Amino acid sequence: EVQLVESGGGLVQPGGSMRLSCAASGFTFSDYWMNWVRQAPGKGPEWVANIKQDGSEKYYVDSVKGRFTISRDNAKNSLYLQLNSLRAEDTAVYYCARSFRESQYSGFDYCGQGTLVTVSS
Amino acid sequence: DIVMTQSPDSLAVSLGERATINCKSSQTVLYSSNNKNYLAWYQQKPGQPPKLLIYWASTREFGVPDRFSGSGSGTDFTLTISSLQAEDVAVYYCQQFYTMLHTFGQGTKLEIK
Repeated sequence: EVQLVESGGGLVQPGGSMRLSCAASGFTFSDYWMNWVRQAPGKGPEWVANIKQDGSEKYYVDSVKGRFTISRDNAKNSLYLQLNSLRAEDTAVYYCARSFRESQYSGFDYCGQGTLVTVSS
Repeated sequence: DIVMTQSPDSLAVSLGERATINCKSSQTVLYSSNNKNYLAWYQQKPGQPPKLLIYWASTREFGVPDRFSGSGSGTDFTLTISSLQAEDVAVYYCQQFYTMLHTFGQGTKLEIK
């Protein structure tokens, strides 16, 4: 059974930093593009970033470029998102999501339960 | 980038009746080289992550009941639930994956009448 379990969320002040983790199991993690998707309270989902199977390609939504960094450790079956210079508008549930195709252009066939990041003073 | 617009914003349908949700993209999501529409539909219940229902506009994800179907091409798409069940109450989103932004529609809230 495919499982994606996020952790690392919480309350942080504006300008602060946080590192999110996603532990993957039930599939060969190194075979898949992986994504972070977020959803602000009462809003629709928003794709944030993705990373190629070997970590050689990474893409970001413009609003987080230069502030967020996606990474992965295939030996640990883990995906990460480093969030720096956080703003109130980054407040959201952050989901780890698997791409269903071997491409950066893909929908997401599995999402974790998410971890809530709240940016507030 | 591509804007996805869903209609209606909310919908109330009687149990056993048909529910239809529309999605329009601001530009085509049909990739000419493989003739595939880069369009997916998701279902999201309260407190849960989005669940993939349909991809390539009309291919049902494994395990999704056959009362769910997707249609359309280019810029206009439809998700149809042929006979609404109580467990189908949720918010439904379309999403394009033709461009890197992978933009979602604003969502359609489906309720029981």
